[in-house]
Amino acid sequence: DVKVTQSSRYLVKRTGEKVFLECVQDMDHENMFWYRQDPGLGLRLIYFSYDVKMKEKGDIPEGYSVSREKKERFSLILESASTNQTSMYLCASSATTETYGYTFGSGTRLTVV
Amino acid sequence: GDSVTQMEGPVTLSEEAFLTINCTYTATGYPSLFWYVQYPGEGLQLLLKATKADDKGSNKGFEATYRKETTSFHLEKGSVQVSDSAVYFCALSDMFSGGYNKLIFGAGTRLAVHP
Repeated sequence: DVKVTQSSRYLVKRTGEKVFLECVQDMDHENMFWYRQDPGLGLRLIYFSYDVKMKEKGDIPEGYSVSREKKERFSLILESASTNQTSMYLCASSATTETYGYTFGSGTRLTVV
Repeated sequence: GDSVTQMEGPVTLSEEAFLTINCTYTATGYPSLFWYVQYPGEGLQLLLKATKADDKGSNKGFEATYRKETTSFHLEKGSVQVSDSAVYFCALSDMFSGGYNKLIFGAGTRLAVHP
């Protein structure tokens, strides 16, 4: 069964900490994405990557960075966590959105205190 | 820019009732359209899709028709079950300036089905 795996379901971090969210996919997909999900706002794209070592900013990249050293792994980094980054974070991958859509991970609920 | 608008929830229905969740979009090109579902505690799953005007996507008793003239992609189900309780997201595919696709999501509509 193909899947996208996010390393943590729940995380609690302190303000100012550096936080790493990990995502791994086993479908050999070229494209990987990080979204955050907030009530009433739906999903908002933070960053995406269309190839190893490549990255592009999404709609809300401020306060975040990403790393893609291997095709199957895409990491989201909060350089200095703040309380307004408390959210659900969803990773997704795709070969092409036109035909197959995205495959999502189960999400990481991050709380910054 | 492109956008997706969904009806606000929550939508509360009794089991076996008819479901409609409205979705309209704004796009400059000819996007593909999707419905995703998120069950409690899980990530999003693709429910159905349509890639061109007048296409009908269907899955698990749900269906939606791509209406270009009204820029709509309403989700329907004839008889809902308690197990359909979830959050439903309408989405369209869009093209980045670099030629890569991305999905734009609506805000989501929570459905609660009671026995």
